[in-house]
Amino acid sequence: EAQVTQNPRYLITVTGKKLTVTCSQNMNHEYMSWYRQDPGLGLRQIYYSMNVEVTDKGDVPEGYKVSRKEKRNFPLILESPSPNQTSLYFCASSFLLAGGNEQFFGPGTRLTVL
Amino acid sequence: KNQVEQSPQSLIILEGKNCTLQCNYTVSPFSNLRWYKQDTGRGPVSLTIMTFSENTKSNGRYTATLDADTKQSSLHITASQLSDSASYICVVSGGSGGYNKLIFGAGTRLAVHP
Repeated sequence: EAQVTQNPRYLITVTGKKLTVTCSQNMNHEYMSWYRQDPGLGLRQIYYSMNVEVTDKGDVPEGYKVSRKEKRNFPLILESPSPNQTSLYFCASSFLLAGGNEQFFGPGTRLTVL
Repeated sequence: KNQVEQSPQSLIILEGKNCTLQCNYTVSPFSNLRWYKQDTGRGPVSLTIMTFSENTKSNGRYTATLDADTKQSSLHITASQLSDSASYICVVSGGSGGYNKLIFGAGTRLAVHP
């Protein structure tokens, strides 16, 4: 089944404790992206990648890191989480967007930083 | 500034009625416009994708229109069902970040009551 998977789905952590949220897709997509969603603010892009070893900042990259060592995986790293990073996170993938290709979203990761 | 604005913010309708959601954008250059449906706590799901040359596109009871001259789009839902209760997000591809950059609207929250 074609899908985008994220792990974990739920995570409660404490300030400063490094964490990684994994994202994997099985559709051979070049484009992968991370978003956060907060009440009343809609989806905001954190980082995106148009291919292996190519990553770019989105609108809200501060406090986050990503890597794209393989085409199928795009982990999101929080080196020192803070309470303002409490949010709902979505990973998404597609073929390049300029071609009008459909973007597929993962199920989301709800992160709470205490 | 590249922006996507949606109206209304929220809407309540009775089951079986029709409704229309609006999206205005100032994104330039423009590549394509997407409508997503997002159930609470879940990832967005693509409804339609329209390029510059397309005026209308349907997906079942959902019909999207695009006027690239006035930079307006609408999503019309016919014969609403309880399962249509969700947030509907308008997303434009383009702007100074390039055609692989997505700019999200804040969404319209639709509630369909029996």
